Amino acid sequence: EAQVTQNPRYLITVTGKKLTVTCSQNMNHEYMSWYRQDPGLGLRQIYYSMNVEVTDKGDVPEGYKVSRKEKRNFPLILESPSPNQTSLYFCASSLRGRRLTEAFFGQGTRLTVV
Amino acid sequence: LAKTTQPISMDSYEGQEVNITCSHNNIATNDYITWYQQFPSQGPRFIIQGYKTKVTNEVASLFIPADRKSSTLSLPRVSLSDTAVYYCLVGDRDRDDKIIFGKGTRLHILP
Repeated sequence: EAQVTQNPRYLITVTGKKLTVTCSQNMNHEYMSWYRQDPGLGLRQIYYSMNVEVTDKGDVPEGYKVSRKEKRNFPLILESPSPNQTSLYFCASSLRGRRLTEAFFGQGTRLTVV
Repeated sequence: LAKTTQPISMDSYEGQEVNITCSHNNIATNDYITWYQQFPSQGPRFIIQGYKTKVTNEVASLFIPADRKSSTLSLPRVSLSDTAVYYCLVGDRDRDDKIIFGKGTRLHILP
């Protein structure tokens, strides 16, 4: 089954404690991206990757890091989380050159930073 | 990427046809129009994509006039389970640019 898998689904952490949210896709997609969703602000793109070792900033990259060492994985790293990073996070993937045709989204990670 | 404008929210009743319009005055020649659906606490799901005239699939229809400055997503005979947020995206599907989701249209289906 084609899917994008994020882990964990829920996470509560404390300010400053480094964390990683993993994202994996099994569709051999080249394009992957991370979004955060906050009430009243819709979906905002954090980072995206067009291929292995190729990443670029989205609209709200501050406070986040990503890496793309393998095609299937695109982890989101928060080196020093702060309360304003409390949000619902989604990972997505799609075929290169057809990103807008059908992007597959993960089930989401609800992060709370206290 | 072309900026899009959608109604913030809409209400309708079960069994009705629902039309959600998206305005994209600055659409470029190579841009496609794509719609996604999102249920609460779930990731968005692709619904339909089109370039011009009309596209239909098992879920919805997409109407695009000749000037392409707007588009209308049509959901036939909606049910309560169609309550969701609907996003209109416009962009060149063959460019590796960042994808921008607006705030979408919150559709509420009433019994």
